[in-house]
Formats: sequence, structure tokens, C-alpha cells
Amino acid sequence: RKEVEQDPGPFNVPEGATVAFNCTYSNSASQSFFWYRQDCRKEPKLLMSVYSSGNEDGRFTAQLNRASQYISLLIRDSKLSDSATYLCVVIRDDKIIFGKGTRLHILP
Amino acid sequence: EAQVTQNPRYLITVTGKKLTVTCSQNMNHEYMSWYRQDPGLGLRQIYYSMNVEVTDKGDVPEGYKVSRKEKRNFPLILESPSPNQTSLYFCASSLSRPGGVTGELFFGEGSRLTVL
Repeated sequence: RKEVEQDPGPFNVPEGATVAFNCTYSNSASQSFFWYRQDCRKEPKLLMSVYSSGNEDGRFTAQLNRASQYISLLIRDSKLSDSATYLCVVIRDDKIIFGKGTRLHILP
Repeated sequence: EAQVTQNPRYLITVTGKKLTVTCSQNMNHEYMSWYRQDPGLGLRQIYYSMNVEVTDKGDVPEGYKVSRKEKRNFPLILESPSPNQTSLYFCASSLSRPGGVTGELFFGEGSRLTVL
């Protein structure tokens, strides 16, 4: 089993809809969690950190569930510009572990 | 402007011809890392460095070398490139924290390498 797993998608969602996807991690010693966004053929960029108390940034909400070992990302009122691949990142000591990403397509 | 700079951005080479991809960051980050990204395989770590003169293998180090003689530079060396090293390569840097890294990575724009 991979240490960080994501549904690869693609998720095809109409503009304006709410979309959510999860990322599961297998090592309970994991310490920090992040969502990154990667546009096609571009470098990944940090989207937001993820905390147990939840973290909201505009239309984006991230949540950590340590008991069930998953993190989630919710995007409200989706825009065409939200089309991208969303990468889940887990930190354990000096290891930075990337999920393979979830592809999101926002449809006009 | 805070940035990670990789060169070259695009390179086509032939099997066996040694090449170096440079990476430089201007943020005084301790941690630097190299990844390759291939369709369906996601980002895979090649090597990483927690600080000057400290380097460690990632998940796919075979066929690559690195060095960290200065804090700002972390070059990736392919001594004898082969076609299976055709890929998109990313360099990244981050601050460290006691016992590890912060996870807030800054990536270079990527280097697309083709080995014929």
C-alpha cells in the first residue's frame, strides 16, 4: 500500500459547483499536511496547509482527520481557473511524500 | 524576488553524454530536493539535501548524482544518461525545522530532458 493515496480522477465538475476530494495516508507518525496545486506542465505550488481544526482560504477549505488518517479539500463555487491537478503532501520527519494527484476539470 | 532557478529548461541529448542540471535558490533555505515527474507516476524524489554537504537518496536515485557545496546550489548530475531518464525534472527548496522540514516547498519551473 502506498503511503499517500489519492483518487486520480479526473473529476469533471460544472462551473459553480462544489467539489471535494480526499487523500489518505498510512503512517500515523505523519506530522504535517499540505495541498499543492499543479497546472499542466508547470511546477507545483503550495495551495494551503491542513490542520485538524480546519483551514479556510476563500473558496477553499482543507481538513485533517487524524483518527481516520485522511485529509480533504473542498472547493466551493468552482471557477474555470480551478482546473488543475491537486497534490496531497504529507511530512514525516525529513520525508516529504507526495500523492500522485487528483485531476480536476471545471466545465463551462 | 524569492525564487528557485533551474537551467536548462529544455534539453535534448544523446545516451551517454554527461549533463548537469543546475538549481539555485535565493531564500537561504537549508533543504533542497530533486524530483522527476512522469505520466501516471507522479512526483518521485531523486535526492535531497538537509544542508550543505548533507545529501541523501530519495526513491529513485539510480543514475543520478548530486552535490551540495554551497547552500544556494544543488546541481543534478547525469553521468551517463539513458532514454529512461527522459522526464520532467523539478528542483525544490524549503526551510528546515528541528527534526525535519516545513513542507512549504518552493519549486523551480522545471527542466524537460529528452535522452535519445
